[in-house]
This record gives sequence, structure tokens and C-alpha cells, in this order.
Amino acid sequence: NAGVTQTPKFRILKIGQSMTLQCTQDMNHNYMYWYRQDPGMGLKLIYYSVGAGITDKGEVPNGYNVSRSTTEDFPLRLELAAPSQTSVYFCASSYMELEAPLHFGNGTRLTVT
Amino acid sequence: DQQVKQNSPSLSVQEGRISILNCDYTNSMFDYFLWYKKYPAEGPTFLISISSIKDKNEDGRFTVFLNKSAKHLSLHIVPSQPGDSAVYFCAARSGGSNYKLTFGKGTLLTVNP
Repeated sequence: NAGVTQTPKFRILKIGQSMTLQCTQDMNHNYMYWYRQDPGMGLKLIYYSVGAGITDKGEVPNGYNVSRSTTEDFPLRLELAAPSQTSVYFCASSYMELEAPLHFGNGTRLTVT
Repeated sequence: DQQVKQNSPSLSVQEGRISILNCDYTNSMFDYFLWYKKYPAEGPTFLISISSIKDKNEDGRFTVFLNKSAKHLSLHIVPSQPGDSAVYFCAARSGGSNYKLTFGKGTLLTVNP
């Protein structure tokens, strides 16, 4: 049981480049989330999805896009990368229950130079 | 506006003693609280949780206490072990928010042998 898998683990982008961070889960969870963590800060929600075809913005959505075509996959797209997007990105998933914890992937460390 | 606050960036304790990590929240709509543990280069892993209808929940060496009137919760680890050294995040959610988690900034716990 792999849980939540994120690829790549590390990436360096130049300003203005684009990339897609991949996330897949094998737990049949309805809910999926993208968070970013900046040094010394907590995790901030970028986007989330309550099921295939349904996505919504979190606290810090600017500069990002998402899609959810299947239950398993929730890719995060960065268009026109900026230094402010240098961060560690975590994907998570959960069941649709108040007491269901989020299960996190191991993160993607992104540097924009 | 930070809705979940962990005011101690770091805490150092001796092996075998008690570790107490604190968390305050401002949003009275939060009705479920979780603690996550995070090692370097890994994603956060779920540790323990508590519903707002309870004031205490135990799981082995870990106990979470909730004081709703003070909007305060704490995580007690007894006895502390060197393997407990990690960043601990407090998180909260409300049922009406699509189960999104709001995180504090984290507390780095160091347990010295």
C-alpha cells in the first residue's frame, strides 16, 4: 500500500518556466489537498478537491492551477514560476469524514531561481 | 490572521521526562483537532486527535488535552524518547469547511539522551 505518492522529490526551475507536480493516492480517498510549507511556517492550503471533477481554492491559490480527472490523481500546475513559489509542496488525501486524518506524501522541494 | 497558533518555536527536554507542546486557536467553529509529527525530508504523519466534545484523548505515551473555554490544547508525551525529536504541528478543522485543516507553524521538539 503506497499511500500518497508525489513526484518529483526535487526540482529547480528558472523564473518563467512551468511545471506540474504529480500526486497520486491509492486509498480511494474522496478528498485531496495541496499544501505548501515555507521555512519556519506552517502548511498553507493552495487548492483542494472533494471528488473527481470538483476543485476549489485554498488560502494561497495565486500562480497555481489544479485538475482532478480521476479519484486517484491530483496534479498541481505552476505557470510562470516566480521566486516566491520556492517552497516544499505537500499533497494529502482523506476520507470525507470529520474525524478522518489527512495522509501526506513526502513532498516536492521546489526552487525557483 | 493566524487561526491556529503555536507560540513556542522550539522545546528541549531530557529523555524520560514529559514534553508538553501547546497550541491556541481563535476560530470557535473548529470542532476537531489533530497533532502531526514531521521528520526532516518526510511528510507530516498523523499522531493523535481530539473532538471538541471531549477534553482528553490518550494513545500510549501521547495524550491531548482540550480546553474549549480557553481555546487551548496541549500534547503531552510521557516518557519522552530521542526518537520523538521532530517538528510537531497542531491542526484544526470545522465540519462545514470541507474538512480542510488549518495548521499552526509547528514546534521543534528535541529530546536529549
